[in-house]
Amino acid sequence: DGGITQSPKYLFRKEGQNVTLSCEQNLNHDAMYWYRQDPGQGLRLIYYSQIVNDFQKGDIAEGYSVSREKKESFPLTVTSAQKNPTAFYLCASSIVVGTGIETQYFGPGTRLLVL
Amino acid sequence: GQQLNQSPQSMFIQEGEDVSMNCTSSSIFNTWLWYKQDPGEGPVLLIALYKAGELTSNGRLTAQFGITRKDSFLNISASIPSDVGIYFCAGLLPGNQFYFGTGTSLTVIP
Repeated sequence: DGGITQSPKYLFRKEGQNVTLSCEQNLNHDAMYWYRQDPGQGLRLIYYSQIVNDFQKGDIAEGYSVSREKKESFPLTVTSAQKNPTAFYLCASSIVVGTGIETQYFGPGTRLLVL
Repeated sequence: GQQLNQSPQSMFIQEGEDVSMNCTSSSIFNTWLWYKQDPGEGPVLLIALYKAGELTSNGRLTAQFGITRKDSFLNISASIPSDVGIYFCAGLLPGNQFYFGTGTSLTVIP
């Protein structure tokens, strides 16, 4: 089946610890994104990448880092500098065509909790 | 960052009723998307709209891309219990960044 997978589904972080959230897609999409979702708020963009080895900060990049070494993979690291990391994290991907980005698809999400 | 104005925030309806919700913005969008999200799950794409004035259906769902390109509407006809969830819109600005509505929580009473 084609799609976007995220792991783990639940992740616990201790104070001062870095954690990495996995996102893999087999849709052959060029662009990948990380969003944060908090209750009662719309999705907020953390980072996005339109091609391998290139990525851009979104609206709330502080305390997060990413890499894009392969087209299929876009892991997100939540560093100890992120003081309020408890949230639901969503990975997404889009195909880029000549006229621009088309439809965006989401993975199942990872819920991060701080111990 | 910009967020879209989505209304209503929540709806409680009887099974069989029709539902309408909308998103508005002060900006012009190239694309409008509508998603449904169940608790603890990722959003699922329902309908994608690419042209001003476009009206697209997906089963009991119908969505429209506003003529001004600043708004979009989603209608659900003859609601059923499995329609329960949070619906939200997303708009794509020139420059290729998506912005999202805050969601409409739908409860269907059997």
